[in-house]
Amino acid sequence: DADVTQTPRNRITKTGKRIMLECSQTKGHDRMYWYRQDPGLGLRLIYYSFDVKDINKGEISDGYSVSRQAQAKFSLSLESAIPNQTALYFCATSDRAGENYGYTFGSGTRLTVV
Amino acid sequence: AQKITQTQPGMFVQEKEAVTLDCTYDTSDPSYGLFWYKQPSSGEMIFLIYQGSYDQQNATEGRYSLNFQKARKSANLVISASQLGDSAMYFCAMRISGAGSYQLTFGKGTKLSVIP
Repeated sequence: DADVTQTPRNRITKTGKRIMLECSQTKGHDRMYWYRQDPGLGLRLIYYSFDVKDINKGEISDGYSVSRQAQAKFSLSLESAIPNQTALYFCATSDRAGENYGYTFGSGTRLTVV
Repeated sequence: AQKITQTQPGMFVQEKEAVTLDCTYDTSDPSYGLFWYKQPSSGEMIFLIYQGSYDQQNATEGRYSLNFQKARKSANLVISASQLGDSAMYFCAMRISGAGSYQLTFGKGTKLSVIP
């Protein structure tokens, strides 16, 4: 099994629908992140969490919310999806000891909002 | 604010040749880390190499090396003996050390195409 698992891998949804992207990890890392990737823009940070009770907004949090249900689970929600939220979404994890290795990434969720 | 700049949207290299992917960064923090990731067409992000701001020597990992020029604030990735499997997007990223701050900031990426 992958260290960081994202579900679903692909999703097509309609404008205005609520959708949740899920992330779970077996790394035992305390820090979890959600990024989105758009062509030509690289990866941009949406939200991050350093532990279950610590949630922080990233660069582009508007239109998104998150929930850290447990150390191993970090979900991203789009309350009312819009077409410009069509992107590749990555969950990632890290810890202090592994800081020289950057993050461990999930395989990504490709979201299309029509 | 911290910033990463990759000025080459796309690069071509002949198989078996070396290629350098450029990355410049901007930070006033003395302690930071620089990373390179590879993203093949399948989409996953693969960690390649890391350089710490206090490291005296350039990092190397197999065919990858990081040409770290601190005064110029550059951290170029050098891939030696390119292979067809090196065709991918490559992202440079920076992590700022500091209380509670271990976020990665990414550049926009460079698409490398290896020509047979």
